[in-house]
Amino acid sequence: DIRMTQSPSTLSASVGDRVTITCRASQSISDWLAWYQQKPGKTPNLLIYKASSLESGVPSRFSGSGSGTEFTLTISSLQPDDFATYYCQQYDVYSLTFGGGTKVEIK
Amino acid sequence: QVQLVQSGAEVKKPGASVKVSCKVSGYSLTKLSINWVRQAPGKGLEWMGGFDPEDDEKIYAQEFQGRVTMTEDTTTDTAYMELSGLRSEDTAMYFCATNLQLASYFDHWGRGTLVTVSS
Repeated sequence: DIRMTQSPSTLSASVGDRVTITCRASQSISDWLAWYQQKPGKTPNLLIYKASSLESGVPSRFSGSGSGTEFTLTISSLQPDDFATYYCQQYDVYSLTFGGGTKVEIK
Repeated sequence: QVQLVQSGAEVKKPGASVKVSCKVSGYSLTKLSINWVRQAPGKGLEWMGGFDPEDDEKIYAQEFQGRVTMTEDTTTDTAYMELSGLRSEDTAMYFCATNLQLASYFDHWGRGTLVTVSS
């Protein structure tokens, strides 16, 4: 299975900050990567697919980049609604795998 | 509006089996690939298995092979996930998830079914 490693596991930031989360794959997955946001007690919400394509309805402050084994999710200006946990997921190989998650907390 | 409506919470004893349902409304199950993802309390997302639309076959995560069975009833547009040999570590929220374009990332999720394994 492809192992997905996210860093950091926890991130403390303030409203207005630029935030970057990294996801590394144990082998190349081209750009077959998605990002999700999950709030406590809620289902995950798709933000980004194919590494950099913004899902319809997702604010433009979210962006994704990368290919191969290294990917980033960037929030250009953190908003109060963005405090949540973020997960990456590879779908290059159909034994799909998620990263361990990055919790974005209020500083 | 596509919705995935899951069955209610379950409490099971160790060694038992559980069968969780996921009814599709607003779309035809035959046009979807249903996957199952679980999340233990306070933990991350774990893919359990699903239907690979490219290879036209069901794929189970290695961790669950031999214990999980995923089936579908196209007459009622309902997908099922049955997990046997339950242990306390299987206590989790179980989600069904899908993508309307048959891609292998998920733009639609059920609300989850909490399965508690306790003696």
